[in-house]
Amino acid sequence: QQQVKQSPQSLIVQKGGIPIINCAYENTAFDYFPWYQQFPGKGPALLIAIRPDVSEKKEGRFTISFNKSAKQFSLHIMDSQPGDSATYFCAASDRESGGGADGLTFGKGTHLIIQP
Amino acid sequence: KAGVTQTPRYLIKTRGQQVTLSCSPISGHRSVSWYQQTPGQGLQFLFEYFSETQRNKGNFPGRFSGRQFSNSRSEMNVSTLELGDSALYLCASSLDLSSEQYFGPGTRLTVT
Repeated sequence: QQQVKQSPQSLIVQKGGIPIINCAYENTAFDYFPWYQQFPGKGPALLIAIRPDVSEKKEGRFTISFNKSAKQFSLHIMDSQPGDSATYFCAASDRESGGGADGLTFGKGTHLIIQP
Repeated sequence: KAGVTQTPRYLIKTRGQQVTLSCSPISGHRSVSWYQQTPGQGLQFLFEYFSETQRNKGNFPGRFSGRQFSNSRSEMNVSTLELGDSALYLCASSLDLSSEQYFGPGTRLTVT
């Protein structure tokens, strides 16, 4: 059972555009929602995270929007650059900021390409 | 502060063999989690250790095991390797059980 559904699988955006990656979850016990960025040959790097008590969080060019009633959250990348080309994973857990009883539950990932 | 280190980075094993992977967490971090990453299944939780005790375990067979030492370093072991065990094995380090997880570069295991 896939508890976190991520879309789209792949995304191509022109430089300067705003790619949007969406995730939906089923488990209402989830209370921590991080996004990770992974480059080829590297481990996932924590990008930004949100808790359900806020609807939006910004860190630099990255913004998370969170809709608790719809059980959905999304990542927006402002003024995207070719260096942002990577695979992005959303995740969720039920233990504050940590892994939760079942660790972090990850979406399947979005392969993002920013064209120059 | 140095990040999470994993050794070896690459490993090739034959079916039926066993393998041990090592993870050194960020200095001061006491919790280590392990994940398996494959193209088909994505990132899946294996287990989590804190203070030398396994706190949680994912849905993997008993061939997958691990341990944590008093210095918080962790090892995971896979016995009787199968072709389907080929994957990137990732270790994540966190200060404690309720803190952000930071991943290492992973160990790429290929089973032939």
